[in-house]
Amino acid sequence: GQQLNQSPQSMFIQEGEDVSMNCTSSSIFNTWLWYKQDPGEGPVLLIALYKAGELTSNGRLTAQFGITRKDSFLNISASIPSDVGIYFCAGDYGGSQGNLIFGKGTKLSVKP
Amino acid sequence: KAGVTQTPRYLIKTRGQQVTLSCSPISGHRSVSWYQQTPGQGLQFLFEYFSETQRNKGNFPGRFSGRQFSNSRSEMNVSTLELGDSALYLCASSLAQGPYEQYFGPGTRLTVT
Repeated sequence: GQQLNQSPQSMFIQEGEDVSMNCTSSSIFNTWLWYKQDPGEGPVLLIALYKAGELTSNGRLTAQFGITRKDSFLNISASIPSDVGIYFCAGDYGGSQGNLIFGKGTKLSVKP
Repeated sequence: KAGVTQTPRYLIKTRGQQVTLSCSPISGHRSVSWYQQTPGQGLQFLFEYFSETQRNKGNFPGRFSGRQFSNSRSEMNVSTLELGDSALYLCASSLAQGPYEQYFGPGTRLTVT
C-alpha cells in the first residue's frame, strides 16, 4: 500500500537551533497532518493542512502543504528542550478511503 | 473539554485469550478510529466507526473487531491473542467521518505473553 517517506529518521538538536523535517509520497494527498508523540502517550495534533501551497503556523512550528500535493514540511524555530519527541506526518489520499496514512516518524533528541 | 480517554492503560494477556479495549471520544465527536502502533510497523489503521457503523477497515485479520455505541463510545476486541498483537492501541476521535483533525487518546499498552 501507499507509504509515506519521512526524513530524517532522527536528529539531534541544540537549544535555539531551527529544525526541519519532511514527508513525501508517490500519491497525491488531500490532507496533511503533523503530530508529536511523547513516550507513553498518544500523538498530539500540531498542525492540519488542507490546501496545496498552504502555510500554517502554530507558535514556533510552521508546516506547509507542498504545491505538488505529494509532500509536506515541518519547521521548528528556536528549539527548546521540550521539543524532543517523535514527530509524525500523516495524511489521506484518494486510495486510502479516508484513512490516515502515517510516516515512520522523526525522532528529535537533545545533543549530548 | 475532556480529551479522548482509553481504558485500561496497560494490559497483560496470554496467547489464546481475548481482550476488549475501550475508548471514549471527545464530547461531540462522532467518529472513532483505532490504530495499532508497533516499533516495526509504526502506526497502522485498524478501523473507523461513525454513527455506530464501521465505515472503513484496515488490513487486519478478522480477530480484530470493534463496535460503536449510540453515545459514540467505542470498543475494540481482539480474539485468540498472538504474541505479535503486543502493541500500543490508539483510539482517535474526530467531529466527522474521515481523517480530518483526529485527536488521539493516550493508548492502551497490550502485552501478550
